Amino acid sequence: DGGITQSPKYLFRKEGQNVTLSCEQNLNHDAMYWYRQDPGQGLRLIYYSQIVNDFQKGDIAEGYSVSREKKESFPLTVTSAQKNPTAFYLCASSPLGENTGELFFGEGSRLTVL
Amino acid sequence: AQSVAQPEDQVNVAEGNPLTVKCTYSVSGNPYLFWYVQYPNRGLQFLLKYITGDNLVKGSYGFEAEFNKSQTSFHLKKPSALVSDSALYFCAVRDGWTGANNLFFGTGTRLTVIP
Repeated sequence: DGGITQSPKYLFRKEGQNVTLSCEQNLNHDAMYWYRQDPGQGLRLIYYSQIVNDFQKGDIAEGYSVSREKKESFPLTVTSAQKNPTAFYLCASSPLGENTGELFFGEGSRLTVL
Repeated sequence: AQSVAQPEDQVNVAEGNPLTVKCTYSVSGNPYLFWYVQYPNRGLQFLLKYITGDNLVKGSYGFEAEFNKSQTSFHLKKPSALVSDSALYFCAVRDGWTGANNLFFGTGTRLTVIP
């Protein structure tokens, strides 16, 4: 079935360590996104990419990095510079063009910093 | 700048009663409006959207939403609530068409349907 796969679902990390969250989609979508979800704050955009080898910062990009070497993959690295990385991370994708608009989400990755 | 307000953190409704989850928005251009639902430790599932046309939009699982331009609202409704509707609901907005579908999300409303 087509969809978005995020891994790992749960991840624990010590302070000072970088960690990379995987996001793969087989929907042939051009655009991909990373959101962070915290209780009571909704979803906040970290990074997005509309095309391979190109990406833009969202509202809370500090302490995060991404790459888009392949259309189907958009990994997110949470670096040690991110002051409060414990959160639920959601990857999404969408086609581009008129009369589209909804994002398709993965099941999320929950990162806990010990 | 765009923004979304979901004024109620929590909505409780008895099973079989109608439910409403409120959303108001602010955009400078034409709004593209969305509702998503999230079950515990899961991703978001798309329910419905308003882009243009009829102000009453019907979506998945019997949900519908009414776009009201004068009140800048897009409330989610269902005529008869089910216990299985209990979840976290997000309203989202995008301003016009820029190519990328960056959505701005509200803070969410937790719906509890009481048996």
